[in-house]
Amino acid sequence: GQNIDQPTEMTATEGAIVQINCTYQTSGFNGLFWYQQHAGEAPTFLSYNVLDGLEEKGRFSSFLSRSKGYSYLLLKELQMKDSASYLCAVMDSNYQLIWGAGTKLIIKP
Amino acid sequence: TAGITQAPTSQILAAGRSMTLRCTQDMRHNAMYWYRQDLGLGLRLIHYSNTAGTTGKGEVPDGYSVSRANTDDFPLTLASAVPSQTSVYFCASSEDGSTGGLASGYTFGSGTRLTVV
Repeated sequence: GQNIDQPTEMTATEGAIVQINCTYQTSGFNGLFWYQQHAGEAPTFLSYNVLDGLEEKGRFSSFLSRSKGYSYLLLKELQMKDSASYLCAVMDSNYQLIWGAGTKLIIKP
Repeated sequence: TAGITQAPTSQILAAGRSMTLRCTQDMRHNAMYWYRQDLGLGLRLIHYSNTAGTTGKGEVPDGYSVSRANTDDFPLTLASAVPSQTSVYFCASSEDGSTGGLASGYTFGSGTRLTVV
C-alpha cells in the first residue's frame, strides 16, 4: 500500500531551527509537496520537490532524496506564527496526492 | 481575491438528511477535488474532476456524489448523512488535472465543518 510517515508532533524554540522529516512509499513518484496548515484553516502550499536536492525559499527549505523515499522541511529563525501543522504529500503515478497525517509544530518563546 | 469559496462554513445535520456542500473557484483551474480531514489522518480524497464534465472516485467515495457542470463549480452531495461523515471537508483546485498542477500545488478553500448527529 501507499504510506506517508511524519512525526505527529514536534516542539521548538522561537529563533531556533527545526527539521520535519517525511518518509514515503508510493506507487510511482511525480513530486513531493509540503503544506502549512494553521489550526482551523485551509492548507497552504509551501514547496514542491521533484528532483533530488535542496530547494530554498526564504526561511523555509525542502530537501528530497528519491532513492531513500525521504524528504525534510527545514524552518529557520522560527517565529511564533510558524506554529502550525505541516503536511507532507506525494503525487503518485496516477497524479493523485497521497497525504501524511501532518506534524504539529509547537513553538515556545 | 481570487481563490476558492466554500459554503457553508459549518453545519449540523441530522442523520438521514441530505446536504450539498458548495465549492466555487474563480481561477479557471481545470481540476477540482474534495477531501475530508479527520483528526490523526491525512487528507483523504473523496471525488475529483480533471476537467468540466468529468468526475472520478477517490479513496473514500461511498456516501458522496459530485457533479462538474462547468469549470467553476464542484458541489459535493451527501444523499443520506451518517455520523461517520462528521468531518472537515476541503475543496481544492489545481491548474491541470492530468499533471496535477505540479509546481504550483493545490489551492484549498477554507473548509466546511460538518457534524452529523
